[in-house]
Formats: sequence, C-alpha cells, structure tokens
Amino acid sequence: KAGVTQTPRYLIKTRGQQVTLSCSPISGHRSVSWYQQTPGQGLQFLFEYFSETQRNKGNFPGRFSGRQFSNSRSEMNVSTLELGDSALYLCASSLATQNGEAFFGQGTRLTVV
Amino acid sequence: AQSVTQLGSHVSVSEGALVLLRCNYSSSVPPYLFWYVQYPNQGLQLLLKYTSAATLVKGINGFEAEFKKSETSFHLTKPSAHMSDAAEYFCAVSEMNRDDKIIFGKGTRLHILP
Repeated sequence: KAGVTQTPRYLIKTRGQQVTLSCSPISGHRSVSWYQQTPGQGLQFLFEYFSETQRNKGNFPGRFSGRQFSNSRSEMNVSTLELGDSALYLCASSLATQNGEAFFGQGTRLTVV
Repeated sequence: AQSVTQLGSHVSVSEGALVLLRCNYSSSVPPYLFWYVQYPNQGLQLLLKYTSAATLVKGINGFEAEFKKSETSFHLTKPSAHMSDAAEYFCAVSEMNRDDKIIFGKGTRLHILP
C-alpha cells in the first residue's frame, strides 16, 4: 500500500508569489490534514478536509487555503508569500476522523526568499 | 479546547540509559493521545496511541507510555536507549468521539550520547 505522497519535496519561491502544494493520501483514506512545521512554532494545524469539505481550520490568515478533490487528493495554496511562510508543510491522511491514526507524508520544504 | 505541553525541548541520555520524555495534556473530554517520532527530513511516524483501552500502551521500537488521568500525563519511556533513537518526538492529543483535529506539542529532540 503506497504511503502519503507530497509533491514537490522542495520549493523556492519569491516574496509575493503564490504556491500550490499537493498531497495524495493513502488509498481509502478520506481525511487529509495539513500542518506547518517551523523551528520556533513547532507543528501548527492549518486545516482538515473530509469528503471534499473543510471540516476544521486552524488560526492562519486567509492567504492559506486548501481544497480536496473527489479522489481525496488535496492541494494547499498560499498566496502573497511572506518570508515567514518558509517552513516544512506536512500532510497527514486518516481513514475517517482525526481520532484515528494519522499517516504523514515526508513534507514539502518551502523556502521564501 | 485541547492542548499539549512537552517538558524540555532537548533531552540527552547516554546509550543504554532510560529514556523519559514528558507530556502533559489538557482536554475537556476523554482524550486520544499519541506519540509520534520524526527523523531528519522525514514526516512523522506513529510510535503508539492511547484510545481508552489499557492505560499502559506499548509501541514500536521498545517504547511505551502510561496514561495517568489524575496527573493528565502521558510520558514516553524506553528502558535502554539506542543511538538510532535520536530524533524528535511529538506528543499529540485529540478529543474522543469528536471529529476534531490532532493538536501537537512543540516536540522534544532526543540526543543519545555514546
């Protein structure tokens, strides 16, 4: 069974640009969550999607958005990039709810210059 | 709302010594509790989880954790540290019976001294 796949693994963008990150969950998993990981703040919850609907949202500005497709694949978009958006973005998938085990991808390392 | 506090952002132990990583949680309802491990440039991997069955939970790689409701703690232990245990460890909480997010602690980096 393939694991959670995140693409791309590494990305360098310029301030003001926008970026789209992709996450393919484990087959059969319907819940996809996104986290931002930085040395200072640790792992911060961005949002969770379940059956194409955003079910939970963290405390991030509206520049951070996401969506989920009918095949459960998810994308995360960040517009008007700021230097502080440089981080490891992790995607996690689970069968139905967040109360079960979450399986993580290797992450996308975003660097904003 | 739930929260997690991990005591110590860095912990160093000698190879062969006891590993103890501390985690305290806050939750308004019975929690699910997790420990995850992250190796460099990798995602997180589940070590073990508590879901209201046994209070002593055994995980992979010889790790275990004990749920203590009276102390709102879920400390992670391993009797004898190996060099390969060097990694960052995250404690996490989720609220039982709710479609809620998993909240992570800030992590503890474990260093193993030869």
